[in-house]
Amino acid sequence: SQQGEEDPQALSIQEGENATMNCSYKTSINNLQWYRQNSGRGLVHLILIRSNEREKHSGRLRVTLDTSKKSSSLLITASRAADTASYFCATEDSGGSNYKLTFGKGTLLTVNP
Amino acid sequence: DAGITQSPRHKVTETGTPVTLRCHQTENHRYMYWYRQDPGHGLRLIHYSYGVKDTDKGEVSDGYSVSRSKTEDFLLTLESATSSQTSVYFCAISALGGGNQPQHFGDGTRLSIL
Repeated sequence: SQQGEEDPQALSIQEGENATMNCSYKTSINNLQWYRQNSGRGLVHLILIRSNEREKHSGRLRVTLDTSKKSSSLLITASRAADTASYFCATEDSGGSNYKLTFGKGTLLTVNP
Repeated sequence: DAGITQSPRHKVTETGTPVTLRCHQTENHRYMYWYRQDPGHGLRLIHYSYGVKDTDKGEVSDGYSVSRSKTEDFLLTLESATSSQTSVYFCAISALGGGNQPQHFGDGTRLSIL
């Protein structure tokens, strides 16, 4: 069963605009990760945030985590055409096996030049 | 980029035939994973390994088996392929299990079963 659910399913913006994607999950987690997938390629890790953290930054990426609302958001600032990809959140359940991540279905981001 | 090679990259086969996909890593990571990716379902875990000869089932393991006889290789076998197993298969590795570290993915195997 899917743990994380991304919202929206698809997002289309103009170059230079900011893009915000959200992830909601059902059960308590230890960590949450965000990944990017370009068409025809494997997933690439972007950022990991632990359950005791509220915000992390990496370059143009900003991730927030609200464990009380069981949600996370990924903000990409000053988007570029090269940011066009699918974005997935993945969670490690705090009560389950510590070997596994559970992935959401993803948000397809299109950045128009 | 993490050293992960999946083979073959593309395969077309017929229903009822056996199929083996290979994942090879050069990172000496302990954990290896097989996922399938389908429209509307996202990425789903098939099987994973936490060491040589140590494997366990994931969310969608029916119809699949795995083997890991050495650290660098993780094989996924479809004993008798069915059309519902048409999918893109991804291998991933990580040094630590779960969400403690990122997983690194191969570029996938596109499998079509006619």
